[in-house]
Amino acid sequence: DVKVTQSSRYLVKRTGEKVFLECVQDMDHENMFWYRQDPGLGLRLIYFSYDVKMKEKGDIPEGYSVSREKKERFSLILESASTNQTSMYLCASSSTGAKTQYFGPGTRLLVL
Amino acid sequence: EDQVTQSPEALRLQEGESSSLNCSYTVSGLRGLFWYRQDPGKGPEFLFTLYSAGEEKEKERLKATLTKKESFLHITAPKPEDSATYLCAVLRSQGNLIFGKGTKLSVKP
Repeated sequence: DVKVTQSSRYLVKRTGEKVFLECVQDMDHENMFWYRQDPGLGLRLIYFSYDVKMKEKGDIPEGYSVSREKKERFSLILESASTNQTSMYLCASSSTGAKTQYFGPGTRLLVL
Repeated sequence: EDQVTQSPEALRLQEGESSSLNCSYTVSGLRGLFWYRQDPGKGPEFLFTLYSAGEEKEKERLKATLTKKESFLHITAPKPEDSATYLCAVLRSQGNLIFGKGTKLSVKP
C-alpha cells in the first residue's frame, strides 16, 4: 500500500514565524504535491515537484516555498506565517506512469 | 480555462435511497478523471480513475461513469458509512490535478 506521512497533524504558530511542513512517501514516486484546503474553496495546488531539486508553482504559490532534496521527501515552507495561511495542508504523491495521487492525512495549521 | 464543477454541494439521503453525484469539467484534452472520498479531518482516499468517454468503474455500492463533458458517481442503496465528501478531479496537460469543491453526502439510517 502507498503510504504518505506528514510530520504533524496539528500545528499552532504565531504570525511571522517560519514554518516547516514535512511530507514523506514510501513508494518511490517521482511526483509530489502540496495543497491547501479551505471551506468553500476546495483543494488548491500550492507547489509540485517532478524530481529531486525540481519544483513548479501551482495555482497559489505566494507566501510559500518548497524543498525537495531527496526523492521521498517534500517540504513546504512558510517563510513568515500569516493568519490567512491558517488552513488544512495536504501532501500527495504519484508515479509518472499511473498519475493517481495518493494523499497524506493532512496537517491542520493555525496561525495566531 | 480548466474548470471542474460538482453538484449538488450537499446531498442528504435515507439509507437505501440511491442517487447520483455530478462532476462536469472543461479541460483541453482530458487525460484522466479521478474520484476521491474524504472523511472529516482526513486526507482524500482514492476511489476511481476514468480515462475515456463510455468507461465505467465499480466498487461496492459505488459506480463511476464518464462522458465527454461530465462524470457521475452513482451510489446504490447507500449506508450510513458512505457518508463523506466526494471529490472529483481532472488531470491537466501539465500533469497536475484540478479539483472540484466536492459534494458532501449524508446518509441517515
